[in-house]
Amino acid sequence: EVQLVESGGGLVQPGGSLKLSCAASGLILGNSAIHWVRQSSGKRLEWVGRIGLKAESYATTYAASVKGRFTISRDDSQNTAFLQMNSLESDDTAVYFCNLGRSGYWGQGTLVTVSS
Amino acid sequence: QAVVTQEPSLTVSPGGTVTLTCGSSTGVVTSSHYSYWFQQKPGQAPRTLIYETSNKYSWTPARFSGSLLGGKAALTLSGAQPEDEAEYFCFLLHSGVIVFGGGTKLTVL
Repeated sequence: EVQLVESGGGLVQPGGSLKLSCAASGLILGNSAIHWVRQSSGKRLEWVGRIGLKAESYATTYAASVKGRFTISRDDSQNTAFLQMNSLESDDTAVYFCNLGRSGYWGQGTLVTVSS
Repeated sequence: QAVVTQEPSLTVSPGGTVTLTCGSSTGVVTSSHYSYWFQQKPGQAPRTLIYETSNKYSWTPARFSGSLLGGKAALTLSGAQPEDEAEYFCFLLHSGVIVFGGGTKLTVL
């Protein structure tokens, strides 16, 4: 059974940092591009960014709203992807999901709350 | 940034057919937008139903199909079931950036 498990969410003050993880089991993460998607309480889904495969030199792309603040990385040897979030703002409050693009798999999400 | 539009809400009768659409502010949606469709029920993560316009997964019920229709991406549900009541989201790829639509709340009534 394929599972993606996000972790690392929590409460952080504005301006703070947080690093999320997405651990995969039941598949080889290195075969998939990895996306991070977030969903605020307003329910709209927002794409955060993507990291490509080794064959794409792990190229990353980000939404304008997070570019320069968020960094996506991956460690295929650990079957894990990461989302480093810096300079967090209240608008970053959301449930963060990892998603494997064409593979179709989603994690269950982890909640990030940015508040003083 | 492009804006992706979906119907805010639709209602379908059990056993009926309904088409949800996904449009782009930049113009006609083509296969180059690599449209995806997702289903989300309350308290759950999204579930991908359709990828790259019309491709299904092993878990996608046969009653769902994806296409391009009238300049938009479309998700057609033929033979609606009560369990199909959910929020449906699409996304389009615009110049390397993914943009989600606002979602369609589908009621089966």
